[in-house]
Amino acid sequence: GESVGLHLPTLSVQEGDNSIINCAYSNSASDYFIWYKQESGKGPQFIIDIRSNMDKRQGQRVTVLLNKTVKHLSLQIAATQPGDSAVYFCAETFSGGYQKVTFGTGTKLQVIP
Amino acid sequence: GAVVSQHPSRVICKSGTSVKIECRSLDFQATTMFWYRQFPKKSLMLMATSNEGSKATYEQGVEKDKFLINHASLTLSTLTVTSAHPEDSSFYICSAATTRADYGYTFGSGTRLTVV
Repeated sequence: GESVGLHLPTLSVQEGDNSIINCAYSNSASDYFIWYKQESGKGPQFIIDIRSNMDKRQGQRVTVLLNKTVKHLSLQIAATQPGDSAVYFCAETFSGGYQKVTFGTGTKLQVIP
Repeated sequence: GAVVSQHPSRVICKSGTSVKIECRSLDFQATTMFWYRQFPKKSLMLMATSNEGSKATYEQGVEKDKFLINHASLTLSTLTVTSAHPEDSSFYICSAATTRADYGYTFGSGTRLTVV
């Protein structure tokens, strides 16, 4: 079936460095992608989203890149901080109505002080 | 804005009893809400899509009679785990769809269910 997956299950980054979390999606029909951050025992927190008509979107310290040719997403976090330690999920869905969201497997980001 | 409140955050119940989890959209109307289940160190698995005023749509493999969903108003959806068993122990999370482009799909804080 269609799925969204991540290349790295765990990522360790030195505080202050940039983090890059990757995601591969398999449903070429998906046109809306979202990155979420989940801290232990909490629900996912929206970070940034991107629609398929864009290849890059920037937020505060975060950037999402979308490569539709190879069906790849990445989340870049600049100047990673200890508070960024969490599990990050990419998710895909369809625009045009409230469609169900399919989550990837998740990447645990560990920030080393 | 776009806050989703989920209650309770933790619940322990005995096998055979039923547990109700509430999901409320506090500052917006949500015609569609989603219920997810998450096992430890795993991703979120969609259980069902809840539509206000109509029957929920369940994902394949999810027992409709065990996981009862009611979406009686534009701000409230409930998930009832009936005749709970230890294997139903999990982290349950709801999500509400909002038209706010910068919020995407907003999630509740989750409910940790432990069946003993």
